Amino acid sequence: GAGVSQSPSNKVTEKGKDVELRCDPISGHTALYWYRQRLGQGLEFLIYFQGNSAPDKSGLPSDRFSAERTGESVSTLTIQRTQQEDSAVYLCASSIYRVSGELFFGEGSRLTVL
Amino acid sequence: DQQVKQNSPSLSVQEGRISILNCDYTNSMFDYFLWYKKYPAEGPTFLISISSIKDKNEDGRFTVFLNKSAKHLSLHIVPSQPGDSAVYFCAASSFNKFYFGSGTKLNVKP
Repeated sequence: GAGVSQSPSNKVTEKGKDVELRCDPISGHTALYWYRQRLGQGLEFLIYFQGNSAPDKSGLPSDRFSAERTGESVSTLTIQRTQQEDSAVYLCASSIYRVSGELFFGEGSRLTVL
Repeated sequence: DQQVKQNSPSLSVQEGRISILNCDYTNSMFDYFLWYKKYPAEGPTFLISISSIKDKNEDGRFTVFLNKSAKHLSLHIVPSQPGDSAVYFCAASSFNKFYFGSGTKLNVKP
């Protein structure tokens, strides 16, 4: 497809389980971002990948969160030992690396931790 | 510490009138500002942007104004239409890192 693709679209898990969320960016977009949106709140920055540079992990809320990206393609966000406060919509976005580049978002992965 | 703030969580406007959504920021190093629109169960979609070297950018019914001295930007929608009802996010970027406000839910009444 032409847009950013995320899977799964919905995930319900039990507290303490690990989850993995996947993002396929737009082809040719060197920059990839993960954001989180909790219910009724704004977009919270998690992590940023740019090409082969070291990722900016400054937004990851705890060491239970990690993300990987292979080159300029797929990224996975992993949450270990999920907690109820991890329930949110996890949004992935990609962009061309330039000053005036805008982000193109996927539809998000809604995570519910019971 | 939130660097981009949208202080109005919601706004209700009559169809055909002007909608004005506001956004404040704290970091003078931001070089680009954007507005995104989000419908329920969808990802945000880009609406309009402005470079920090400009003070106005217009695209059809949408105009973004930037007041750097006040660290304030606004989005004007004229005339407002019911299909504009959505959550609007303000964003600012510096070195390709994007910071978002908490959003304003716009309701345009027919």
